[in-house]
Amino acid sequence: DAMVIQNPRYQVTQFGKPVTLSCSQTLNHNVMYWYQQKSSQAPKLLFHYYDKDFNNEADTPDNFQSRRPNTSFCFLDIRSPGLGDAAMYLCATSRPSSGNQPQHFGDGTRLSIL
Amino acid sequence: QKEVEQNSGPLSVPEGAIASLNCTYSDRGSQSFFWYRQYSGKSPELIMSIYSNGDKEDGRFTAQLNKASQYVSLLIRDSQPSDSATYLCAAEAGGFKTIFGAGTRLFVKA
Repeated sequence: DAMVIQNPRYQVTQFGKPVTLSCSQTLNHNVMYWYQQKSSQAPKLLFHYYDKDFNNEADTPDNFQSRRPNTSFCFLDIRSPGLGDAAMYLCATSRPSSGNQPQHFGDGTRLSIL
Repeated sequence: QKEVEQNSGPLSVPEGAIASLNCTYSDRGSQSFFWYRQYSGKSPELIMSIYSNGDKEDGRFTAQLNKASQYVSLLIRDSQPSDSATYLCAAEAGGFKTIFGAGTRLFVKA
């Protein structure tokens, strides 16, 4: 089955220690997204790629970076995680054809900061 | 600031009843709207997409869109305990982006 796969499902890191979350997709979708979601809140868009074209949200902290080496993979790097970065991180994809199309989500990575 | 507003709930309905979930959106330019279901600790799962004014039915689910009132709703008929989840309303925000509401928690009592 075509899917969006996130690894790991759970990640624990220490305050200030860099961490990388990964996402891969077999849907061959052009657009990949990273969201941060905290408890009882809406998913908050951090960045998205249309193919290789990178789009950063204005309020995404500089601490967060992303890489998309090819169509299938996308990474979220958090350079110096703070306690406030503990959240669920969601990767999603879409294939815009005519107009906005729904997004397909991976299972998420729950990040804890010690 | 583009926004999608939902009542956080919880909305509690008995098994077999109709659950009615509502949302409003701020961007009159939005053309595409989505409902996602999110179980606790899981990722959002698409339930319905709606693009035109009126009703769209899929099994026990009916999405309703009123662009003049900037209002989207989701009806769940014959609600089951397995429908207990948070339902996120989402609206197209341009530039391949989607704005999500914070969700309405639904609890279906057996």
